[in-house]
Amino acid sequence: DAGVIQSPRHEVTEMGQEVTLRCKPISGHDYLFWYRQTMMRGLELLIYFNNNVPIDDSGMPEDRFSAKMPNASFSTLKIQPSEPRDSAVYFCASSTTGGWGTDTQYFGPGTRLTVL
Amino acid sequence: GNSVTQMEGPVTLSEEAFLTINCTYTATGYPSLFWYVQYPGEGLQLLLKATKADDKGSNKGFEATYRKETTSFHLEKGSVQVSDSAVYFCALIPPRGSNYQLIWGAGTKLIIKP
Repeated sequence: DAGVIQSPRHEVTEMGQEVTLRCKPISGHDYLFWYRQTMMRGLELLIYFNNNVPIDDSGMPEDRFSAKMPNASFSTLKIQPSEPRDSAVYFCASSTTGGWGTDTQYFGPGTRLTVL
Repeated sequence: GNSVTQMEGPVTLSEEAFLTINCTYTATGYPSLFWYVQYPGEGLQLLLKATKADDKGSNKGFEATYRKETTSFHLEKGSVQVSDSAVYFCALIPPRGSNYQLIWGAGTKLIIKP
């Protein structure tokens, strides 16, 4: 398997622009997670899906952030409008609940977002 | 609630030194425990895990034992290499019945000098 795929790998945009990050989970995985990583705040869970349904979005910073999972093989994280404080590395991860608590989360390579 | 506490970094060691990175947790019941590693410029990857008390997870020379009595899951390696330089994250998944998600520690940066 190719692993979790994220695109783009790097994104540079100007404040106020819309940004869309994309993720393709590992085939057969029924959980998908979006994380944000910064030096100041570390690794933060933003939202996660189970069988394409959002389960917990309490980590989404504000209404400027939205996430969708229209099917089992694709998810997007959108920021509109973007702000300089959104600059971070965004990771997508997927896992399967074949056995509760034993499952590994597989991370993508991340998208490094810079908002000028 | 559930939480994970790791020792603050960075931890700087010389090659072939003994490594311990402390991790303690708070959770009801018996969570599953994990160590993930993040190499520079990469995503996180699972290093090892343990799903019940007294289990020992091991991989690539690293070990950690699930200690229920001390609520700890300390990471150890007998002889570190420069290639072990990375950020190490301790994490737990709460027992079944809770929300299914990893609860993460803050991460510990490890620097190994030749």
